[in-house]
Amino acid sequence: AQRVTQPEKLLSVFKGAPVELKCNYSYSGSPELFWYVQYSRQRLQLLLRHISRESIKGFTADLNKGETSFHLKKPFAQEEDSAMYYCALSGQTGANSKLTFGKGITLSVRP
Amino acid sequence: DAGVIQSPRHEVTEMGQEVTLRCKPISGHNSLFWYRQTMMRGLELLIYFNNNVPIDDSGMPEDRFSAKMPNASFSTLKIQPSEPRDSAVYFCASSMTGGDQPQHFGDGTRLSIL
Repeated sequence: AQRVTQPEKLLSVFKGAPVELKCNYSYSGSPELFWYVQYSRQRLQLLLRHISRESIKGFTADLNKGETSFHLKKPFAQEEDSAMYYCALSGQTGANSKLTFGKGITLSVRP
Repeated sequence: DAGVIQSPRHEVTEMGQEVTLRCKPISGHNSLFWYRQTMMRGLELLIYFNNNVPIDDSGMPEDRFSAKMPNASFSTLKIQPSEPRDSAVYFCASSMTGGDQPQHFGDGTRLSIL
């Protein structure tokens, strides 16, 4: 079974502060992991995925298989980062290729 | 490409009425997903199709919910009869087949059942 845990519902920080949004997963195979973001009144969109190993809008996420984690980090938060963030997991092929989402976390960046 | 298109954007109706939500996936995508988003439960997968065939409908809450995909460019999610607890935002998403393929979401339908 696939499971994604985002232990916090809300994170509030000041502009310029570091941000870490936690994500832990449970999956018996080799997972594909994603972070999706939903800005206010906008559609859910892909932020980044572990397979790309890229930085998007200053955010990075490293897959730690030992800790089964995929935490999202940004060294200096900006007000425009305020949004809902979802961590998601997928099995790689066939019937496992659906996404399982965590419950999401609201990031609020104050000026 | 206009992306995934959902209609209507908003729907307000009385309990007991039939509700039909529509989705047009991105052309060329062969996987389609229906999700429900609520404050309490977050984003839940209801059902998904691959090449127009339902693959997993284990997330469909009960028999009042049904989904169809008659062709590669259209899908519907129907609730009959609707109940107040069905009030939520319903998202449709599409992707290429494969777990490493990102899903592209529509704007969602905000459903309110009175």
